[in-house]
Amino acid sequence: EVQLLESGGDLVQPGGSLRLSCAASGITFSNYAMSWVRQAPGRGLEWVSGISGSGGSTYYADSVKGRFTISRDNSKNTLYLQMSSLRDEDMALYYCAINRDGSSWYLCDYWGQGTLVTVSS
Amino acid sequence: QSALTQPASVSGSPGQSITISCTGTSSDVGTYNYVSWYQHHPGKAPKLMIYDVTNRPSGVSNRFSGSKSGNTASLTISGLQSEDEADYYCGSYTSSSPHVVFGGGTKLTVL
Repeated sequence: EVQLLESGGDLVQPGGSLRLSCAASGITFSNYAMSWVRQAPGRGLEWVSGISGSGGSTYYADSVKGRFTISRDNSKNTLYLQMSSLRDEDMALYYCAINRDGSSWYLCDYWGQGTLVTVSS
Repeated sequence: QSALTQPASVSGSPGQSITISCTGTSSDVGTYNYVSWYQHHPGKAPKLMIYDVTNRPSGVSNRFSGSKSGNTASLTISGLQSEDEADYYCGSYTSSSPHVVFGGGTKLTVL
């Protein structure tokens, strides 16, 4: 059974930093591209960032480019999202997801339950 | 790019059929047969229900079906059941980088 477990969400002040983690099990982790997708309160889904299976290619939404860094440790089956210079509009529930491949960010085969990031002073 | 447009809510009675629309543009839904649908029960992980417009992943009930006409994709749920009550989101490949856009979501209420 494929499982994704996000962690690291917290209350952070504007301008602060946070690192999210996503532990995967039930898959050969390095075979899959992965994404972070977020949902702000009362809003729809927004794709945030994606990374290839090897970790060699990374992609970002314009809204987070230069502030967020996606990475992965295939030896630990874990995906990360380093977030810095956080803004009010970054407050959301952050999901990690497994993608069919690195050119199909719209297609998320499996999702985690999410971790909540609250940005407030 | 702008999010795909979905109705905020739809409702139906048990046993009925409902359709949720997902309207995009010629840069996404209208050109590419790369539309996905997700079911999300709050507090749980979203679940892939339909991919590439019409395909159902293994294990998804055949009561769920997808279609597309022009710039609008649709998810149809037949034989509505109480457990279908959830939020539904569409996603599509789009011509502009990073080549992904999602919808605003539709809340399905089973009366």
